[in-house]
Amino acid sequence: DTEVTQTPKHLVMGMTNKKSLKCEQHMGHRAMYWYKQKAKKPPELMFVYSYEKLSINESVPSRFSPECPNSSLLNLHLHALQPEDSALYLCASSQEGGDDSPLHFGNGTRLTVT
Amino acid sequence: AQSVAQPEDQVNVAEGNPLTVKCTYSVSGNPYLFWYVQYPNRGLQFLLKYITGDNLVKGSYGFEAEFNKSQTSFHLKKPSALVSDSALYFCAVRALMDSSYKLIFGSGTRLLVRP
Repeated sequence: DTEVTQTPKHLVMGMTNKKSLKCEQHMGHRAMYWYKQKAKKPPELMFVYSYEKLSINESVPSRFSPECPNSSLLNLHLHALQPEDSALYLCASSQEGGDDSPLHFGNGTRLTVT
Repeated sequence: AQSVAQPEDQVNVAEGNPLTVKCTYSVSGNPYLFWYVQYPNRGLQFLLKYITGDNLVKGSYGFEAEFNKSQTSFHLKKPSALVSDSALYFCAVRALMDSSYKLIFGSGTRLLVRP
């Protein structure tokens, strides 16, 4: 089982809804990531938090809003999404950001926007 | 430009036979290279990495990878494939982009091991 826990596993939301994705890790990692993955494609980096501060934003639309309440938790707040935002959203963590330590991924939240 | 290429969309191999999944890279400086595997409805799992040292790197589940600097390759190998190895495999390289280190993933190779 993965050491990075993501909830919910599945989410269906309308374009006017507000929802949040949650991610938790207890490995003492100081870097946490959000990735978006379309079917049969590689993950695309969205955000990176390092020591609870946003260090990378890959020009993600403002309808996606990340939050890192503490070193173990990472949220992704969703508002006014579009159908093309439907994808698997993966959370990951690593010991430090930008070093050679591997990423530990959660199993993702499969998001469908109707 | 910094990039990773996985030239095969799919690799088919019979159970018990050796397998190779190919990866080539283009990056400035010394490459930090990784292989990840993704099973259906799962996140990616780390298999192995090359940072420095021995060109042959051993990883999880009997996989290994060979770093070849002259050919800028980092092919994933396993001496004897199992049906349970069937999954999507991603090669990745750490690259400095926009003043930050990021992981660049290849397009992925689907491995199908037939009984």
